[in-house]
Amino acid sequence: SAVISQKPSRDICQRGTSLTIQCQVDSQVTMMFWYRQQPGQSLTLIATANQGSEATYESGFVIDKFPISRPNLTFSTLTVSNMSPEDSSIYLCSVEAGINEQFFGPGTRLTVL
Amino acid sequence: GENVEQHPSTLSVQEGDSAVIKCTYSDSASNYFPWYKQELGKRPQLIIDIRSNVGEKKDQRIAVTLNKTAKHFSLHITETQPEDSAVYFCAASGWGQNFVFGPGTRLSVLP
Repeated sequence: SAVISQKPSRDICQRGTSLTIQCQVDSQVTMMFWYRQQPGQSLTLIATANQGSEATYESGFVIDKFPISRPNLTFSTLTVSNMSPEDSSIYLCSVEAGINEQFFGPGTRLTVL
Repeated sequence: GENVEQHPSTLSVQEGDSAVIKCTYSDSASNYFPWYKQELGKRPQLIIDIRSNVGEKKDQRIAVTLNKTAKHFSLHITETQPEDSAVYFCAASGWGQNFVFGPGTRLSVLP
């Protein structure tokens, strides 16, 4: 399985500001994904990020709020823009390695005051 | 789109007993069914998966069964240990389809 790291591991932010989360993989992968996991809840896909193309967003998530970059095959960023307390959550990146198999990063715990 | 249900939402078992978690899915095109274990404060870890061309898969104390006709799949953990305590998520996906996760089952193994 791939080794995946995320930065920051946690942050406390003020309402109205933005935070960019980084995801780094130790090998080249085609498919990267960003998920949100609210406290005590399941995982909800925000968007799929493929290198060289625009991210594909799931229903309920928009590019203006969650802009994503995928500059190469080992790196992606997710920005949470104009944050409100409702954005407090854990944000996880994952990568597809093998056929369909997804492996997750350690997550970024975001608290918005 | 795909919808995945998972039962029970919480499960308590005595150490050494077996635990079974069941998921149902709605999209007959789904063909890949992974199970993830998430310990408190940790990332989800893939523990076992099954594809639609097999009915059962086993890895030591854990096994997964799939019934395509009924559209359900189950995780079986035998000889449970305290370190099995975690939240377990099932998911379903197919060719060109993203993962849809179930709501999770909190398993507690009591010593």
